[in-house]
Amino acid sequence: EEQLVESGGGLVQPGGSLRLSCVASGFTFNIYSMNWVRQAPGKGLEWVSYITGSSDTISYADPVKGRFTISRDNAKNSMYLQMNSLRDEDTAVYYCARDEVAVGDKYYYYGMDVWGQGTTVTVSS
Amino acid sequence: SYEVTQPLSVSVALGQTARITCGGNNIVSKNVHWYQQKPGQTPVVLIYRDSNRPSGIPERFSGSNSGNTAILTISRAQAGDEADYYCQVWDSNTWVFGGGTKLTVL
Repeated sequence: EEQLVESGGGLVQPGGSLRLSCVASGFTFNIYSMNWVRQAPGKGLEWVSYITGSSDTISYADPVKGRFTISRDNAKNSMYLQMNSLRDEDTAVYYCARDEVAVGDKYYYYGMDVWGQGTTVTVSS
Repeated sequence: SYEVTQPLSVSVALGQTARITCGGNNIVSKNVHWYQQKPGQTPVVLIYRDSNRPSGIPERFSGSNSGNTAILTISRAQAGDEADYYCQVWDSNTWVFGGGTKLTVL
């Protein structure tokens, strides 16, 4: 079964830091691009960050640019999100989600077709 | 930055057809993807690249994209279709989600 499991969420004070992890299983992790997507309480989905399988392309949403860093370790089938200078508005459930698959030099997109169950980040004093 | 606009809510009678729109400037030039999220659950991709259904998604769900509007059509609506629906596009190396549409089946 293809699966993603997030961890690392918790309660942190404004200005603090957290590191989220996402561990993949059941598929060849290193050929897939990956995302972090968040959802604030009662709100819609908000894309946070994207990374290709080889980490050669990385992008961030404007609200987190300069504060969050995405990375991955393909040997550990894992992706990470280092979150610094956290703000109240970063409070959300954070999901990791699978993106396009690389086959040779081509990319194929079937939607964000595998999601983790989410990890909750609460920024509050 | 590119923006996509969805209605906050759509209502449909049981067994009828619901249409959820996703508006954006010349959105026809982009691939539009649609997700369903039921309360307390993670999102599920319903439609990718405008009109393609992943395996396991009923044929009642279909998508189209023309001009400045993409549409998710839900035929023969069921009570179980009550959920939030999101469109998604890729623009300038970023993903953009619509604000979401709450579908109510009457």
